Amino acid sequence: AQTVTQSQPEMSVQEAETVTLSCTYDTSESDYYLFWYKQPPSRQMILVIRQEAYKQQNATENRFSVNFQKAAKSFSLKISDSQLGDAAMYFCAYRSPYNNNDMRFGAGTRLTVKP
Amino acid sequence: DAGVTQSPTHLIKTRGQQVTLRCSPKSGHDTVSWYQQALGQGPQFIFQYYEEEERQRGNFPDRFSGHQFPNYSSELNVNALLLGDSALYLCASSKGQGDYGYTFGSGTRLTVV
Repeated sequence: AQTVTQSQPEMSVQEAETVTLSCTYDTSESDYYLFWYKQPPSRQMILVIRQEAYKQQNATENRFSVNFQKAAKSFSLKISDSQLGDAAMYFCAYRSPYNNNDMRFGAGTRLTVKP
Repeated sequence: DAGVTQSPTHLIKTRGQQVTLRCSPKSGHDTVSWYQQALGQGPQFIFQYYEEEERQRGNFPDRFSGHQFPNYSSELNVNALLLGDSALYLCASSKGQGDYGYTFGSGTRLTVV
């Protein structure tokens, strides 16, 4: 079964600075989807960014970008020009396109943004 | 465009009781997944419904059951509640299997006393 590991329980960044959140996963599949979700205190999980494994180009969404290293099974999230509103729990998730597999989440990283 | 709606937002139940949580998916979505999120942890997959049938199930006991209605809305039922069932229950909807990601509701906070 696929597993997702987030090794940083907590991270802190100064406003306007850049921070990178780490994620590794374990899979034997060649095709899959990776996601980063943000969960603010409102509890609603919000999709930040999505990456398709067969695409070598790293996904970007405004201030958010990923470093996808397929061979290393690594999928880190970089947040540039951090804002106070970026403070939240961030979850890395994996989804296989085979066998109706569910989306599996890591344990999360709590990001604090200091003014 | 309304997103995923869950009700109730908070609930307190006594051990041994039964509870029903409800979810209305985002407009245009036909698949509903349920997750349990314990405090300080990532969401754990309970089950997924598509075309009114349970398509896949996570590692949860039979006390957890569900249903999907013709309008794609869904219910999660938990019988014989245990203290360990206290958690945030998240509903997520998608068009198809969710290759483009899920849309989540704000969850139901269940406390079992």
